[in-house]
Amino acid sequence: GAGVSQSPRYKVTKRGQDVALRCDPISGHVSLYWYRQALGQGPEFLTYFNYEAQQDKSGLPNDRFSAERPEGSISTLTIQRTEQRDSAMYRCASSRDRNTEAFFGQGTRLTVV
Amino acid sequence: GESVGLHLPTLSVQEGDNSIINCAYSNSASDYFIWYKQESGKGPQFIIDIRSNMDKRQGQRVTVLLNKTVKHLSLQIAATQPGDSAVYFCAEKASWGKLQFGAGTQVVVTP
Repeated sequence: GAGVSQSPRYKVTKRGQDVALRCDPISGHVSLYWYRQALGQGPEFLTYFNYEAQQDKSGLPNDRFSAERPEGSISTLTIQRTEQRDSAMYRCASSRDRNTEAFFGQGTRLTVV
Repeated sequence: GESVGLHLPTLSVQEGDNSIINCAYSNSASDYFIWYKQESGKGPQFIIDIRSNMDKRQGQRVTVLLNKTVKHLSLQIAATQPGDSAVYFCAEKASWGKLQFGAGTQVVVTP
């Protein structure tokens, strides 16, 4: 596609519900990153993939968070049993390979009420 | 290192002047560095990158300098314009590692 696409753009969910955030990277991009960004702060690393392999998940806050990229393209970030503190902008980025610039999507604004 | 703190440092610069934004990176194994610009309500946008085998790289109105000895990166913007007002982030990456962002600097361009 023309750019990194994330869906939904906005998600409001009730505390305790599970949510799945989708990232569609630029076609052919090998690396895919997930970040969380609070207002006024830099992107906080969550996890990243090269192809379908999850290379690093050290930034996932706890075991309620998981991510997958089963076919090396689209990725899903899942948050189980959401809590209010999970409210944030979740951003996805992709890069052509592991050492080139990463391009960001518009993000998904998650609000847990 | 990790982004910390709730308050971004702010650089106020007069339109037409040059801006210099500084960044200290944490991982001596990092070999690839990127500067991003983020405008309000938008995602980070790539500006310029540099690899560790270089100490300077120039783009259109922007220059990135890398000092590996002191683990310091800077972004110079020539003839700063109102459209340059944004938050600027540096990011570092080791070859097989994650792309890690710094805390960011708010640039405010005054007329």
